[in-house]
Amino acid sequence: NAGVTQTPKFQVLKTGQSMTLQCAQDMNHEYMSWYRQDPGMGLRLIHYSVGAGITDQGEVPNGYNVSRSTTEDFPLRLLSAAPSQTSVYFCASSYSLVGVGEAFFGQGTRLTVV
Amino acid sequence: GESVGLHLPTLSVQEGDNSIINCAYSNSASDYFIWYKQESGKGPQFIIDIRSNMDKRQGQRVTVLLNKTVKHLSLQIAATQPGDSAVYFCAEGDRNQFYFGTGTSLTVIP
Repeated sequence: NAGVTQTPKFQVLKTGQSMTLQCAQDMNHEYMSWYRQDPGMGLRLIHYSVGAGITDQGEVPNGYNVSRSTTEDFPLRLLSAAPSQTSVYFCASSYSLVGVGEAFFGQGTRLTVV
Repeated sequence: GESVGLHLPTLSVQEGDNSIINCAYSNSASDYFIWYKQESGKGPQFIIDIRSNMDKRQGQRVTVLLNKTVKHLSLQIAATQPGDSAVYFCAEGDRNQFYFGTGTSLTVIP
């Protein structure tokens, strides 16, 4: 059971480039989400999905797109990378919408935009 | 957004002692509270959660206390071990969104 798998682990982008961060889970979880983690700040929610075909914005959605075509996958797209998007990105999944019960996090993607 | 803060950014304890990590939250309407542990280079790992209709919940070596009157959450770790060294985050939220604190770094001294 792999849990939540994120790829790549590290990425360097030039300003203006686009890329997709991949996230896959094999636990048949309905709820998936993307967070970014910056030094001195807690995790901030970017986008989330409550099931295939359904996504919504979190606290800091600007500059990012998501889609959820399958239960397993929840990719995060950076449309035109900016230095302000330099961060560590975490994907998470859980059984349900609410926080009761475990949320499983991936290992993170460390993104640097130069 | 919500404000979730931790009283102490760092905490050092002797191995075998009990640890207490505190967290203040601002939204009295939050339904759920979670504690996560994050080791260096890894993603957050769920420790324990508590609903707003409870004031205490115990797990294996951990206890979470919720004081809604003063909007305060704490995590108690019994008999702290070197493997407990990590950053601990509290999070508060409702159905869809959680707001995380900045974290407390716990160092266990052998």
